[in-house]
Amino acid sequence: AQTVTQSQPEMSVQEAETVTLSCTYDTSESDYYLFWYKQPPSRQMILVIRQEAYKQQNATENRFSVNFQKAAKSFSLKISDSQLGDAAMYFCAYALFGNEKLTFGTGTRLTIIP
Amino acid sequence: DGGITQSPKYLFRKEGQNVTLSCEQNLNHDAMYWYRQDPGQGLRLIYYSQIVNDFQKGDIAEGYSVSREKKESFPLTVTSAQKNPTAFYLCASSIGLAGDNEQFFGPGTRLTVL
Repeated sequence: AQTVTQSQPEMSVQEAETVTLSCTYDTSESDYYLFWYKQPPSRQMILVIRQEAYKQQNATENRFSVNFQKAAKSFSLKISDSQLGDAAMYFCAYALFGNEKLTFGTGTRLTIIP
Repeated sequence: DGGITQSPKYLFRKEGQNVTLSCEQNLNHDAMYWYRQDPGQGLRLIYYSQIVNDFQKGDIAEGYSVSREKKESFPLTVTSAQKNPTAFYLCASSIGLAGDNEQFFGPGTRLTVL
């Protein structure tokens, strides 16, 4: 069974600085997708970024980028120029290609210090 | 505006009672999902449905039931057989399979058993 591990329950960063959230996963498959979801205090989940495992290039969405290391099964999220609105729980998730199921990590609570 | 609605936002029930959580989407998505979220844990999949009149058990289906009579609706019933039903419940939908397509989430329902 696939598992997703987020080893940092809480992180904090100064506003305008850069922070990296860690995620590792375990799978024996080669075709899969990885995601980072954000859950702000409103508790509505929002997709931040997505990575296809077959792509070597790391995904980027504005201030958000990932460091995808397939051999190491690592998928970290980097947030540049942190803003107060980035404060949230961040969940890493995995989905096998052609499968309906998302497997989530336990989340990292990110605090932005003004 | 297209999106997913869940009602009610807060729900209280007495032990031994069944309760139904509503989930409606107007995104014309085929797939719909129910997740449960507990403190310190990631989201766990309860049930999912790819098409009308068909649904599949997720990881923690015991004590829950669903129906999918209409494409836009996927209600979840928490039965008295669910041993620890107090949790936050999230509904989601996607165009197709989770791996290939983004899941969009509703605002959630907080269920408390008194």
